[in-house]
Amino acid sequence: ETGVTQTPRHLVMGMTNKKSLKCEQHLGHNAMYWYKQSAKKPLELMFVYSLEERVENNSVPSRFSPECPNSSHLFLHLHTLQPEDSALYLCASSQDLGQGLWPQHFGDGTRLSIL
Amino acid sequence: QQQVKQSPQSLIVQKGGISIINCAYENTAFDYFPWYQQFPGKGPALLIAIRPDVSEKKEGRFTISFNKSAKQFSLHIMDSQPGDSATYFCALNPLYKLSFGAGTTVTVRA
Repeated sequence: ETGVTQTPRHLVMGMTNKKSLKCEQHLGHNAMYWYKQSAKKPLELMFVYSLEERVENNSVPSRFSPECPNSSHLFLHLHTLQPEDSALYLCASSQDLGQGLWPQHFGDGTRLSIL
Repeated sequence: QQQVKQSPQSLIVQKGGISIINCAYENTAFDYFPWYQQFPGKGPALLIAIRPDVSEKKEGRFTISFNKSAKQFSLHIMDSQPGDSATYFCALNPLYKLSFGAGTTVTVRA
């Protein structure tokens, strides 16, 4: 079983649609992350959860809404997105917060295209 | 967010050659320098990491070197192989966050 699984792998949606991205980690980790990856740009940290509590909301527009129902699952709810939101959305997990001790494990991402 | 400037944006190297990727940073409030490797269609995966109290770390054909006074760190890929063709990201960590460079796409020609 892959450590961090993201579904769907590809998503095409119109600007008025509502959809959700799902992430599941099978590593027993306590921290989970959402990143946005756009071409030729650094990965952008969007949200961080530790033990199901949000610890970071990195100035992300409200059209992105995260949810962490338990330490194994993380969702990103999408509504009224813009064309510039087209990107690869990556989920990651780590044993705990604190990068020096606990490296992040990434899923393979959801490729999102906004029409 | 902490800035990390990574160069070059892309490089092409012949099989058996050396690939060198450089990163420069601005602040000093960190304790960890990881490098991630990403293949097309896959998420990034941790390749190698170094702490700032160490000037060099080698794992197989991959070596990180760190120059604290110059605020730079670099990745060397020795004896580059076609399977090394990927995008490489440097990063550093203020607190629990990771700040990534923009990535370097390495192409190894057989």
